[in-house]
Amino acid sequence: AQTVTQSQPEMSVQEAETVTLSCTYDTSENNYYLFWYKQPPSRQMILVIRQEAYKQQNATENRFSVNFQKAAKSFSLKISDSQLGDTAMYFCAFMKRSGTYKYIFGTGTRLKVLA
Amino acid sequence: DTAVSQTPKYLVTQMGNDKSIKCEQNLGHDTMYWYKQDSKKFLKIMFSYNNKELIINETVPNRFSPKSPDKAHLNLHINSLELGDSAVYFCASSQPGTAYNEQFFGPGTRLTVL
Repeated sequence: AQTVTQSQPEMSVQEAETVTLSCTYDTSENNYYLFWYKQPPSRQMILVIRQEAYKQQNATENRFSVNFQKAAKSFSLKISDSQLGDTAMYFCAFMKRSGTYKYIFGTGTRLKVLA
Repeated sequence: DTAVSQTPKYLVTQMGNDKSIKCEQNLGHDTMYWYKQDSKKFLKIMFSYNNKELIINETVPNRFSPKSPDKAHLNLHINSLELGDSAVYFCASSQPGTAYNEQFFGPGTRLTVL
């Protein structure tokens, strides 16, 4: 069975600074997807960034980028130029690339951006 | 132009009651899901339907019964509500075979059992 671990329950960062959220996972699968979701106080789940396991190039979306290390089973999220609106819970998620396509979520990291 | 909608957004009820949460998606997706987010914010899959057929049924008490009248709707009925059922329930949908099989989430339903 797959598991996803987010070892940082809470983090804080100063506005305009850079922060990295860690995520590790355990799987015997070779083909899978990884995702980072943001959940602000409104509780809406918002997709931040996604990565296919067979792509070596790290995904980037504006101020958000990932460091995907397949051998180490690590998928960290870097947020550059942090903004107050980045304050939220962040969830790392794993999905097999076959079968029932369910998400396996990590326990989340609560990020607070300080003014 | 809401993609995935849920009703109600908030539900407060007494222990022992029966309640339903409705979900609708207008994305044309074949697959829909129910996730439960507990008080510690942990998100876990409960059920999934593909084109009205149940394909995921995690270890959920049988007081929870999903129903999919058509592929655009997936409802969740809960019998004999217990205090531990208090949580936020998210509906999601996806289209298998598309890039990343990304799931689109509804706004969530906060269920409070008193």
